[in-house]
Formats: sequence, C-alpha cells, structure tokens
Amino acid sequence: GAVVSQHPSWVICKSGTSVKIECRSLDFQATTMFWYRQFPKQSLMLMATSNEGSKATYEQGVEKDKFLINHASLTLSTLTVTSAHPEDSSFYICSARDGRGDYNEQFFGPGTRLTVL
Amino acid sequence: GQNIDQPTEMTATEGAIVQINCTYQTSGFNGLFWYQQHAGEAPTFLSYNVLDGLEEKGRFSSFLSRSKGYSYLLLKELQMKDSASYLCAVLDSNYQLIWGAGTKLIIKP
Repeated sequence: GAVVSQHPSWVICKSGTSVKIECRSLDFQATTMFWYRQFPKQSLMLMATSNEGSKATYEQGVEKDKFLINHASLTLSTLTVTSAHPEDSSFYICSARDGRGDYNEQFFGPGTRLTVL
Repeated sequence: GQNIDQPTEMTATEGAIVQINCTYQTSGFNGLFWYQQHAGEAPTFLSYNVLDGLEEKGRFSSFLSRSKGYSYLLLKELQMKDSASYLCAVLDSNYQLIWGAGTKLIIKP
C-alpha cells in the first residue's frame, strides 16, 4: 500500500518561533497533498490543498501567511507554522492522493503533534 | 451547505455487533469513505463505497444508499481494539473530502 511519512512526529517550541513539518509520499507520486488540523475530540479540519508546482488553496479562515505550504515535488510537501502561538498547538496531519488509483483515496501520514509553550 | 452527520458516541459490548450511521448532504458525490482513528493517531482507511449496496471486508461491512444520502459501517464480533473513532467522509464534486465529526465507539467487556 501507499505510505506517507511525516516529520517530526512531535515538536515543542516557544511562542513566536516557526516550525516546519514535512510530508513525504514514499512509494508513489502524490499529485495532490492535503494538510489537516485536528483539535482534541474534534474531527479533521482541512487547512489547505496543494498541487505540485502551484500555490496551495487555503480553506476559509486559514491564514496563508501564517501557515506556509510548499509542494516543491511530487513526493514532498511542507507546512511551516510561522510565529507559532499556544493556540496553534494541535495535531497536524497530511495526506496524499495518488491520482492513478481506481478511486481517489487519500493516504494519511502519522501526524505531527505540535505544542507551543 | 455541505453536511455530514454521524452520532457522537456509541457503546457496545465485546463480541457483539454495532452499526454506525452516516447521513450526508454534499455538492456532488464521488464516493464515501470510512476511516478508523485511534486516539493520538492518524486515520486509517476502512472502506470506500461509490455504488449502492453492501461491501463486506472481514468483520467490517459498509453500506451505501445514494438516493437517501445514507451509509452505515457495520462492525461484527467486536474486539476491545475496535475502540476508536470512526470517521465518515464524502468525496464531493471537486474531489474534496468532506468529513463528519466522527463517532467515538466504546467497547465494554
């Protein structure tokens, strides 16, 4: 099956610093990658959709200057949380879609738990 | 607007059967997914339905009725490890996943 990795698995940082999270599709080329955020006991909230080589499409209410997304290749997308604050503490999950499949399943990375002090 | 409804929480007994319902109203339909998510982990794929009917996969089955905007996930021979949240998600006309809030399933011995 398709494998998606995320790095780091967890990160603790001070308020005001920036944090970069990497999402890689290991055994397939991901034409589209998605970034989600999940707060405790809530469902996944889509933050943005990124296609390789083009600008990400952000969901309403998500600040694109704060959550920088780069999808430089078909196997790598990065999310940078700039000037992080405690309210940004959350579980960030990426997923990747392999357009060759019979259906448009999204394969999820293991997630990154961000804690901002 | 787009909407996915599923119960917030359900409780069942080990060895029993449980059915988790999901109703949806979306702009377009390109399939419905069920995912399992254990606490602190990312979702894992369980099933995909795009045609009406029942798809059986081991202890788990998923049913879809497109005319009714309705699906259910059926879990048989429940095990303690099945305690998790179960997420229903619909792929809309833009091929974007619309997520339900998830159903927390609690299994009691």
